[in-house]
Amino acid sequence: GESVGLHLPTLSVQEGDNSIINCAYSNSASDYFIWYKQESGKGPQFIIDIRSNMDKRQGQRVTVLLNKTVKHLSLQIAATQPGDSAVYFCAETQPQGGSEKLVFGKGMKLTVNP
Amino acid sequence: DGGITQSPKYLFRKEGQNVTLSCEQNLNHDAMYWYRQDPGQGLRLIYYSQIVNDFQKGDIAEGYSVSREKKESFPLTVTSAQKNPTAFYLCASSIGVGFAYEQYFGPGTRLTVT
Repeated sequence: GESVGLHLPTLSVQEGDNSIINCAYSNSASDYFIWYKQESGKGPQFIIDIRSNMDKRQGQRVTVLLNKTVKHLSLQIAATQPGDSAVYFCAETQPQGGSEKLVFGKGMKLTVNP
Repeated sequence: DGGITQSPKYLFRKEGQNVTLSCEQNLNHDAMYWYRQDPGQGLRLIYYSQIVNDFQKGDIAEGYSVSREKKESFPLTVTSAQKNPTAFYLCASSIGVGFAYEQYFGPGTRLTVT
């Protein structure tokens, strides 16, 4: 909702710059990772995902990098635009019993200055 | 248009009252989920359903109840037993069971209890 961006770390960039948003995860058994974008007052939107057997995946203007050694995930946005302003958060699937669960990070607020 | 709808967008209730949040999807998805989002926190899973007439508790199910009588609908009731009901509630669905399937989110309902 509108208040989802409160109390979150903020990254401010100029329009046209590249943005990098980072996420640390805790469970070395996590095997699937997702980045979401959430605009003010809206539900999260899927951006890009990556499985643990990959270390890089590219989409349109976005790249996700996975470093399993240090349990770190990053989202790179090329040529950031004002429409990219939103809260971005990562999610990982963690094993739970005989199943799995999706665990969400707290997120980072990206502000793009024109 | 296919998608997930949640209604209403804003809901106000007095403490001690039960309230039901609506979630409908026309994506023909088997799995549906309810999350709670609080400022500065990651999404937390309340309940999920993998098939009609079946649902499972998530991480924070206490004070909530759900039903899944139809594939398209997964209403969430916030009961008076929920200690801190004020939050942004998000419904999601996915084509398959298992959290590795892409989840599509609705626009959310902001519930305020006073």
